[in-house]
Amino acid sequence: QVQLVQSGAEVKKPGASVKVSCKASGYTFTDYYMHWVRQAPGQGLEWMGWINPKNSGTNYAQKFQDRVTMTGDTSISTAYMELSRLRSDDTAVYYCAKGYCTGGNCYWGAFDIWGQGTMVTVSP
Amino acid sequence: QSVLTQPPSASGTPGQRVTISCSGSSSNIGSNTVNWYQQLPGTAPKLLIYSNSQRPSGVPDRFSGSKSGTSASLAISGLQSEDEADYYCATWDDSLNGQGVFGIGTKVTVL
Repeated sequence: QVQLVQSGAEVKKPGASVKVSCKASGYTFTDYYMHWVRQAPGQGLEWMGWINPKNSGTNYAQKFQDRVTMTGDTSISTAYMELSRLRSDDTAVYYCAKGYCTGGNCYWGAFDIWGQGTMVTVSP
Repeated sequence: QSVLTQPPSASGTPGQRVTISCSGSSSNIGSNTVNWYQQLPGTAPKLLIYSNSQRPSGVPDRFSGSKSGTSASLAISGLQSEDEADYYCATWDDSLNGQGVFGIGTKVTVL
């Protein structure tokens, strides 16, 4: 079945970097954009950006423009999200989510398959 | 603070109809389609509605969506206890070189 499996929880100190992985299976990795969304404890969802695994093109939310890097390894169908210069307010669950396409059309903002989430805690 | 405005909470008794609104602007809802997500406690969000009113395979027809101008809404008819969850609207915003935006979320309580 189609699924995204993310790497495990991380604890980082302020100023450090974190890299979260997202392994896709059950579909052709290069056929769909991969998005990253985060959710701080008790808060709503926040879109961070996308990567096109076919050509490694990216688009990041302006808020994260200078701190985030999204990459992909097509040989192992895995996407990565690296966030640098971590702060305490980066503490959140980070999700990867597959862009939704059907009937030959892709729908911006629609994500049909989500990873299980990776908890990143930033604490001194 | 989100660019999409949702009521923080909504409630109803089993069998009732509940409606959740999502208000935006010309750069997001006004020029892009709207999607809705359901998030049960401790789980990842689930796509409920895409392209304003379409349901992915497996989503019950009790869930329906609509859009008019710069606003959208999600309706849950025949409310069931398992519908108690957080609901988020989402779309694209053409400003700032295009980016995804979510509403703040609405907590639906089944009384």
